[in-house]
Amino acid sequence: EAGVVQSPRYKIIEKKQPVAFWCNPISGHNTLYWYLQNLGQGPELLIRYENEEAVDDSQLPKDRFSAERLKGVDSTLKIQPAELGDSAVYLCASSSYPVQGGAAGELFFGEGSRLTVL
Amino acid sequence: GESVGLHLPTLSVQEGDNSIINCAYSNSASDYFIWYKQESGKGPQFIIDIRSNMDKRQGQRVTVLLNKTVKHLSLQIAATQPGDSAVYFCAERRLRGEKLTFGTGTRLTIIP
Repeated sequence: EAGVVQSPRYKIIEKKQPVAFWCNPISGHNTLYWYLQNLGQGPELLIRYENEEAVDDSQLPKDRFSAERLKGVDSTLKIQPAELGDSAVYLCASSSYPVQGGAAGELFFGEGSRLTVL
Repeated sequence: GESVGLHLPTLSVQEGDNSIINCAYSNSASDYFIWYKQESGKGPQFIIDIRSNMDKRQGQRVTVLLNKTVKHLSLQIAATQPGDSAVYFCAERRLRGEKLTFGTGTRLTIIP
């Protein structure tokens, strides 16, 4: 079974430029998460989707960040304009909710998209 | 406020020895506590979880202990192998809220 797929793996841009990240979750997983991970830190939730609905976006900086999950499958996370402090790894994860089988704490993460803003 | 934190940022263990990674939490409302492993350049990978009404759970070579009295969580890895070298995060999750909150992480290095 394919895991969570993210692209691009790496992105280098200059500040004030836009950037977008794409995520394809595990087939059948209705819950999708975007996490931000700074170097040496644990992931921090940006937004959580249940199907196509954003049910928790309280940590998403809405002045420059936006996300969408059309049709409740793939998702994109956009930053416009990017700032130096946005340099981090952006992780996408998925899970089935309500939890069906497996462990209640199990989110399946992609390998992340590493953003460097110059 | 709620937080999940780790006592030590780094830990080095001789191959074959057992390792213990500790974590302190402050939110008594958490329903699940989870350990994730993150290798360099990869996303976190689920290891094991424990429900808040339990105090011990065992998996393959791993044991998680939960002490609710002192709000302490630990991950024990038996007979460590080079592949165990990674950053380990503890996290907490509310069953209804579905939000997973991660701690800072401990880097475990297995010495051959």
